[in-house]
Amino acid sequence: KQEVTQIPAALSVPEGENLVLNCSFTDSAIYNLQWFRQDPGKGLTSLLLIQSSQREQTSGRLNASLDKSSGRSTLYIAASQPGDSATYLCAVTVYKLSFGAGTTVTVRA
Amino acid sequence: GAGVSQSPRYKVAKRGQDVALRCDPISGHVSLFWYQQALGQGPEFLTYFQNEAQLDKSGLPSDRFFAERPEGSVSTLKIQRTQQEDSAVYLCASSLALGTQSTDTQYFGPGTRLTVL
Repeated sequence: KQEVTQIPAALSVPEGENLVLNCSFTDSAIYNLQWFRQDPGKGLTSLLLIQSSQREQTSGRLNASLDKSSGRSTLYIAASQPGDSATYLCAVTVYKLSFGAGTTVTVRA
Repeated sequence: GAGVSQSPRYKVAKRGQDVALRCDPISGHVSLFWYQQALGQGPEFLTYFQNEAQLDKSGLPSDRFFAERPEGSVSTLKIQRTQQEDSAVYLCASSLALGTQSTDTQYFGPGTRLTVL
């Protein structure tokens, strides 16, 4: 069974600092890896999708890397802002998604 | 355009009651998924439909849980004789294709928060 782990579970940083969120998974037979954002009481918003053949994906201040052979992904958020405060979830796909428990981020103004 | 919608957004049930949760996927999306998210946890897969066919129900926690998608569009998740451990947010997601391509993205609804007293 696929196991997805996210470290740290929570993170608090001052505004402007860069964020580094880690995700590891046990089975490398995946189609892709996605990073999602979840705000309290809301659904999931897809941030980045990295195909299994790709090494990284970028969108604005967000950059995600994927090392499938070692079962790791890292999400970088540059120059954090208070609006980045949310829970970030990574998920690996084999048609269905297997999620980590998330990293809850607080960016202090 | 319209996204995935779910209703009701909130449901309170007494232990032993039956509940029905509805999901309206994005029009034309072939694949539909249900996930259960307990407080402080990531979502856990429940079941998967490809059009009207339920191809995977391995995540349903017990035979009290039943899902259907009779016309390949709207789906209903039914929970019979609810228990306190069923309290969670139930998320629905849809995908345009079969979910087997590396580019496939699942689009999530806002979820239904079920509280069983």
